[in-house]
Amino acid sequence: AQKVTQAQTEISVVEKEDVTLDCVYETRDTTYYLFWYKQPPSGELVFLIRRNSFDEQNEISGRYSWNFQKSTSSFNFTITASQVVDSAVYFCALSEATGYGGSQGNLIFGKGTKLSVKP
Amino acid sequence: ETGVTQTPRHLVMGMTNKKSLKCEQHLGHNAMYWYKQSAKKPLELMFVYNFKEQTENNSVPSRFSPECPNSSHLFLHLHTLQPEDSALYLCASSQETGTSVQPQHFGDGTRLSIL
Repeated sequence: AQKVTQAQTEISVVEKEDVTLDCVYETRDTTYYLFWYKQPPSGELVFLIRRNSFDEQNEISGRYSWNFQKSTSSFNFTITASQVVDSAVYFCALSEATGYGGSQGNLIFGKGTKLSVKP
Repeated sequence: ETGVTQTPRHLVMGMTNKKSLKCEQHLGHNAMYWYKQSAKKPLELMFVYNFKEQTENNSVPSRFSPECPNSSHLFLHLHTLQPEDSALYLCASSQETGTSVQPQHFGDGTRLSIL
């Protein structure tokens, strides 16, 4: 069965600190996709990144970086030099690629990690 | 126009009322989704529509009734709801290609409160 675990419920840091949000997933599929979304207080989920199971290269986008390790089934997210605007709930999600018209694309979300960045 | 628009943003209704949530996407996507977000629970997928056809119904109670008249619009009709149905209801859309899973784009949600 698919499952996404975000063990950290809440994290509080002071501005300019680096912070890592953990994500561990379970799936039996060999082909799958992992996502991170940000949910600010306004409610909308903002897409941050998609990674497929065949691409283990780590990615950096500005202050954001992601570390994908299939050996430990983890897809961790690091924010460098955090800012107050980074305060939000962050969700990790998993989707299996089971074929067109099936459950492909259906996202399984973790419970989210609430990040508070204080000035 | 923002990518995915949901109305209303907030809704308070009694258990015997009938109301509808509306979602509209301006991204040219072919798949749309309804999710429920309750406090202390992960986001739960409720319904999926691909090319206007419902392909997934995650054991959602019949008091929730989806409608997808075209690939840009999605409704969630509500009737005889229970207090535990109070939640944030999120709509999303994506462009399903059949060869890879694309990111879903979400609306701001409708905050529903059942009295």
